[in-house]
Amino acid sequence: DIVMTQSPDSLAVSLGERATINCRSSQSVLWSSNNKNYLAWYQQKPGQPPKLLIYWASSRESGVPDRFSGSGSGTDFTLTISSLQAEDVAVYYCQQYYSDPRTFGQGTKVEFK
Amino acid sequence: QVQLVESGGGVVQPGRSLRLSCAASGFIFSTHAMHWVRQAPGKGLEWVAVISSDGSDENSADSVKGRFSISRDNSRNTLYLQMNSLRIEDTALYYCATTSDCDSTKCFRPFDNWGQGTLVTVSS
Repeated sequence: DIVMTQSPDSLAVSLGERATINCRSSQSVLWSSNNKNYLAWYQQKPGQPPKLLIYWASSRESGVPDRFSGSGSGTDFTLTISSLQAEDVAVYYCQQYYSDPRTFGQGTKVEFK
Repeated sequence: QVQLVESGGGVVQPGRSLRLSCAASGFIFSTHAMHWVRQAPGKGLEWVAVISSDGSDENSADSVKGRFSISRDNSRNTLYLQMNSLRIEDTALYYCATTSDCDSTKCFRPFDNWGQGTLVTVSS
């Protein structure tokens, strides 16, 4: 199984400041035949299901604000919130969909400082 | 728009069975592979199982293999999860989820639509 490890577990950021979450996979999730990274990011607010933010490591889902961006390749990935807004307080998960079982990171809780 | 509504959760004793349902609408259910994903209270997300669009193929996590069975009824636009021999550690909120443009269990895409989940509590 591919193990996904996020860092940090929690993050306190001031309103308007940048938040950066890292995700590392235990093996590459880059598919060489199409040069795509099979990596997604989700946002989960209390009492709600996860919401897809980023797929293919850096493609933003329709309707997701452009302050959210994803980067990285192979085994190391980053989700960046360029300017934290009140509604961004949530838990963020990375997920690999390269192979079964499709595995998630343990989550990173983003709070206000 | 896409709507997924899970039901069937509840409190059940260890070793007993439960069947979850997920009613789908807003998309052509019979052309989409479907998944179950669970989340233990206060914990992270765990993929549980997938079934192909026509129900001919399925796959599941090792933690539930041999105990849980995923199925679907395309005439009713409904996905099921039959859970047998339940354990304390199966306690979780169970979500059904879809991946766009996927009809096969071997199609790998992110989960772009989720239901609200149904809570299963396994307790003596």
